Amino acid sequence: SQKIEQNSEALNIQEGKTATLTCNYTNYSPAYLQWYRQDPGRGPVFLLLIRENEKEKRKERLKVTFDTTLKQSLFHITASQPADSATYLCALADRSSNTGKLIFGQGTTLQVKP
Amino acid sequence: ETGVTQTPRHLVMGMTNKKSLKCEQHLGHNAMYWYKQSAKKPLELMFVYSLEERVENNSVPSRFSPECPNSSHLFLHLHTLQPEDSALYLCASSYSGGEQFFGPGTRLTVL
Repeated sequence: SQKIEQNSEALNIQEGKTATLTCNYTNYSPAYLQWYRQDPGRGPVFLLLIRENEKEKRKERLKVTFDTTLKQSLFHITASQPADSATYLCALADRSSNTGKLIFGQGTTLQVKP
Repeated sequence: ETGVTQTPRHLVMGMTNKKSLKCEQHLGHNAMYWYKQSAKKPLELMFVYSLEERVENNSVPSRFSPECPNSSHLFLHLHTLQPEDSALYLCASSYSGGEQFFGPGTRLTVL
């Protein structure tokens, strides 16, 4: 069966440390994978997109890696701040779809303590 | 603000009511989406409209009826809903796939 999984347990880290979130998928052929941030009661906000032929993407303190052999994406926030506390969602677009349809993971909640 | 607006932000309705959710984007996008987000569950895609044509319908019950009159507006018509339909309903838009811009959502409670 097709699955996209993120750590369901909340991730608690100390301010200044690097947060690493994991996204694993099964039986999909992603054309690309995206990461979103969602704050309570609000819609997700796009952060980064990484394509199947890219290994790594960076944007300021954010870094995403994509390993199609391991079927995994890692999302890193360096020098984390309490303001980074939120739920982070990964989503993939399967190559079989031409509608821009995204399949979302259930999200991982990050809590950065001062 | 992402450029995608949704109204109302909160809605409480009985199981026999008929109501509509509205979504509007002026980003020049050509695809619009309805998602359902329930507690502790992933975002569930309900409908996709591309160039005002419905191109995806993810086995959604007929009590949910979408409408896309033009590329900037999307509606979700609701009738005879069940309590388990209570959730956050999110609208999103994109340009030819790619990153999606989400609205703030409508928090729906069905009594």
